Amino acid sequence: EADIYQTPRYLVIGTGKKITLECSQTMGHDKMYWYQQDPGMELHLIHYSYGVNSTEKGDLSSESTVSRIRTEHFPLTLESARPSHTSQYLCASTLQGAKGEKLFFGSGTQLSVL
Amino acid sequence: DAKTTQPNSMESNEEEPVHLPCNHSTISGTDYIHWYRQLPSQGPEYVIHGLTSNVNNRMASLAIAEDRKSSTLILHRATLRDAAVYYCILSATMGGANNLFFGTGTRLTVIP
Repeated sequence: EADIYQTPRYLVIGTGKKITLECSQTMGHDKMYWYQQDPGMELHLIHYSYGVNSTEKGDLSSESTVSRIRTEHFPLTLESARPSHTSQYLCASTLQGAKGEKLFFGSGTQLSVL
Repeated sequence: DAKTTQPNSMESNEEEPVHLPCNHSTISGTDYIHWYRQLPSQGPEYVIHGLTSNVNNRMASLAIAEDRKSSTLILHRATLRDAAVYYCILSATMGGANNLFFGTGTRLTVIP
């Protein structure tokens, strides 16, 4: 079973607030990802990390930022939330360097910005 | 980036086999074919993956065409719990990250 956790599961917040979405995995995976998904739409990669102190932007531009201070932890931060940030955010992890390796996903955080 | 093409939706009767097709005509020789599925209000979960040979696991079977330009995910007996969006994905390299690019997938409806 996957051991990757996201909190909170749901978040409703007002415009202008700073928020951090948490993602943790206990599998020792090097690579971690953040995807953004609107209802019925495809997943878009917004950030990824090869390992500690490594962060890269994905194919979809995002105003969010990420950090990777510990292997198991990959939080995503929005400094000033806006209604356009309303979406589902999915975190995933995998072992580095293995194209055939499977991704493990968290259950997601559904963010609503009023 | 190599892309995949899937039907938007499919229906199946419960306890019957389901064949979910995927076209990937621009696949490169080193791309793996992955299948994931996403249940309502959940993150995607891994189903199966392969490179050239057909693959079987407890969830499904993956049939890969000889020229690798298409593949088929086979659910041997659909259950109501198999109703989900199924994604066919090619592993791609973006700056060496080996990230997977998800499309809109096939929404499978299972009819009781």
